[in-house]
Amino acid sequence: EAGVTQFPSHSVIEKGQTVTLRCDPISGHDNLYWYRRVMGKEIKFLLHFVKESKQDESGMPNNRFLAERTGGTYSTLKVQPAELEDSGVYFCASSQVGDTTYEQYFGPGTRLTVT
Amino acid sequence: LAKTTQPISMDSYEGQEVNITCSHNNIATNDYITWYQQFPSQGPRFIIQGYKTKVTNEVASLFIPADRKSSTLSLPRVSLSDTAVYYCLVTALGAGSYQLTFGKGTKLSVIP
Repeated sequence: EAGVTQFPSHSVIEKGQTVTLRCDPISGHDNLYWYRRVMGKEIKFLLHFVKESKQDESGMPNNRFLAERTGGTYSTLKVQPAELEDSGVYFCASSQVGDTTYEQYFGPGTRLTVT
Repeated sequence: LAKTTQPISMDSYEGQEVNITCSHNNIATNDYITWYQQFPSQGPRFIIQGYKTKVTNEVASLFIPADRKSSTLSLPRVSLSDTAVYYCLVTALGAGSYQLTFGKGTKLSVIP
C-alpha cells in the first residue's frame, strides 16, 4: 500500500512568489491534515479536511494560505504571496474516519525555502 | 490541551532498554497519550497509544500510572536505527478534529 506522498520534496522561491504544495493521502483515507514546522519551532497543525470539507482550519496562519481538496482526494496548499517566515517543512498526514486511535500517517514533507 | 514535558535529549548504547518519561500534569479525563517517532527528513510515525496502565506492541511499551500525570515509553534493546526524535502527545478523544499537538520531543541518540 502506498503511503502519503507529497510534491515537491523541496521548493525554493523568492519572497512575493506563489507556491503550491500537493499531498496525496493514502487511498481511502477521508481525513487529511496539513502541519508545518518553521525553523526552530515545533510541528504545528494547520488544518483538517474530512473528504472535501474543511473540518478545522484554526491553525492557518493568515489569508495568504489557501488549502483545497476538490473531490476529496488529493489536497493542495497554496502560499500567495510567500514571505520569508513561511520557510519550513510542510507535512501532510491522513487517517481513516472512524479510526479510534490517533494514528495519522505522515508524508515525508515539502521543504519550502523563501529567499 | 494538556502541556507535555519530556527530556530534550538522551543517549543510549546499542542493546540497552531506553525509557523516555513524559509529564502531563493537566491531562483531562478524555485525553489519550500517544507517542510518535520521527527520523531525519521524514514525517512523524505513530508508535503507540494508551489511556491507562500498560500497552505493548511489537515496537514499544507504554506505561501509564493510575494518576495519568506521566507516561513512560519503553524501547527494548535499542539499535542504531532507533536514533530519532520521540514525541509525547496528549489528545482529546472525540474532539471532532484530531489535530496533533507536538512539543519539542526527545532526541534519542543510540551509540554503538
